[in-house]
Amino acid sequence: GAGVSQSPSNKVTEKGKDVELRCDPISGHTALYWYRQSLGQGLEFLIYFQGNSAPDKSGLPSDRFSAERTGGSVSTLTIQRTQQEDSAVYLCASSLRGLAGDSVTQYFGPGTRLLVL
Amino acid sequence: AQSVTQLDSHVSVSEGTPVLLRCNYSSSYSPSLFWYVQHPNKGLQLLLKYTSAATLVKGINGFEAEFKKSETSFHLTKPSAHMSDAAEYFCVVSGGFKTIFGAGTRLFVKA
Repeated sequence: GAGVSQSPSNKVTEKGKDVELRCDPISGHTALYWYRQSLGQGLEFLIYFQGNSAPDKSGLPSDRFSAERTGGSVSTLTIQRTQQEDSAVYLCASSLRGLAGDSVTQYFGPGTRLLVL
Repeated sequence: AQSVTQLDSHVSVSEGTPVLLRCNYSSSYSPSLFWYVQHPNKGLQLLLKYTSAATLVKGINGFEAEFKKSETSFHLTKPSAHMSDAAEYFCVVSGGFKTIFGAGTRLFVKA
């Protein structure tokens, strides 16, 4: 079956512009995660959605970052007034559900490479 | 609380020699543990996972890892490195609705 897909694959924008990044999780997966990976760095957790529960936004670096998940499926990460330090690869992952065991295995999309000039 | 520590930021081996990437964790829960691999300019691929079944876990591409509760370790090994194994490897602990990624270990394979 289809894996996690993300769009666009690459995005170049100017400082101060808003950007939207999209994630389509694996069908049937109720948990969805966003991460950021800066050049040469590990993964930085941003936000986590689990079913209809309130999302865990504890990783969002500033109020310029927000995310939505419509209908329990597709998610959009929005960055307002982009800054050069926002340049990174933004990765989305989904899992069957957010509990322990096999169901927490996360499957990653290919990422969106964002460059802010 | 949970944490994961990858003990080496870089590991360099010769092709055909064994690989050992070290990972220690702490968790207040019975954790699930994972290793992911990321090749340059590629997404993350699941190598293997431990979810409270067998403590020795076999993954793809000849990798395996052993869960040692007494040592709180989940080291990744491979008997014989191949050039195509050169990549970044991430150890991950998950439990209690939290997932923590290690900082990563970059594996270099010399011909």
